[in-house]
Amino acid sequence: GQNIDQPTEMTATEGAIVQINCTYQTSGFNGLFWYQQHAGEAPTFLSYNVLDGLEEKGRFSSFLSRSKGYSYLLLKELQMKDSASYLCAVPGGGSYIPTFGRGTSLIVHP
Amino acid sequence: DTAVSQTPKYLVTQMGNDKSIKCEQNLGHDTMYWYKQDSKKFLKIMFSYNNKELIINETVPNRFSPKSPDKAHLNLHINSLELGDSAVYFCASSQEASLAGENFGPGTRLTVT
Repeated sequence: GQNIDQPTEMTATEGAIVQINCTYQTSGFNGLFWYQQHAGEAPTFLSYNVLDGLEEKGRFSSFLSRSKGYSYLLLKELQMKDSASYLCAVPGGGSYIPTFGRGTSLIVHP
Repeated sequence: DTAVSQTPKYLVTQMGNDKSIKCEQNLGHDTMYWYKQDSKKFLKIMFSYNNKELIINETVPNRFSPKSPDKAHLNLHINSLELGDSAVYFCASSQEASLAGENFGPGTRLTVT
């Protein structure tokens, strides 16, 4: 099975940069997903990493190190609307069906 | 146009009842899923289903059963509801072996009293 660990909660200031870490253990690695979930809403897809390195997509970037079982989501120029839960998810067992971590609740304050 | 839709959005019912939640996707995706998100916001997969294969999370009680009348629909039927079934249930879809992640429906908040 998969084991996914990420911090429960983080706080940051508007305009700053925040890094949300995720460590995982899995068999049959098929990439790593990041999702954003605002309170009372459905998760929305942010990124998918299957190769090592950093992938940038606007203000959000995602990094993967397969040898270390480690990923992070980097959010730049934080805005109040970025306050949400960020879910790390890893498919396992040779499938593309992800197992989700418990999520990191990010609070952005003025 | 809504990509993945669920009905109802809210469902309040008593213990012991049987209820269904409907899900439809208009994305032409091959695979559909049901997830349960509990009060601690932990999102866990219950089922994944395509035209040929149903994969069941073995921790899901057999009171829960997915029913797919066609490729665009995956309904969730729950028998003999229990208090612990109270949660938000999300339907999702993706192309099989998708690298683009899953499209989630808006969720159904189920409250069992």
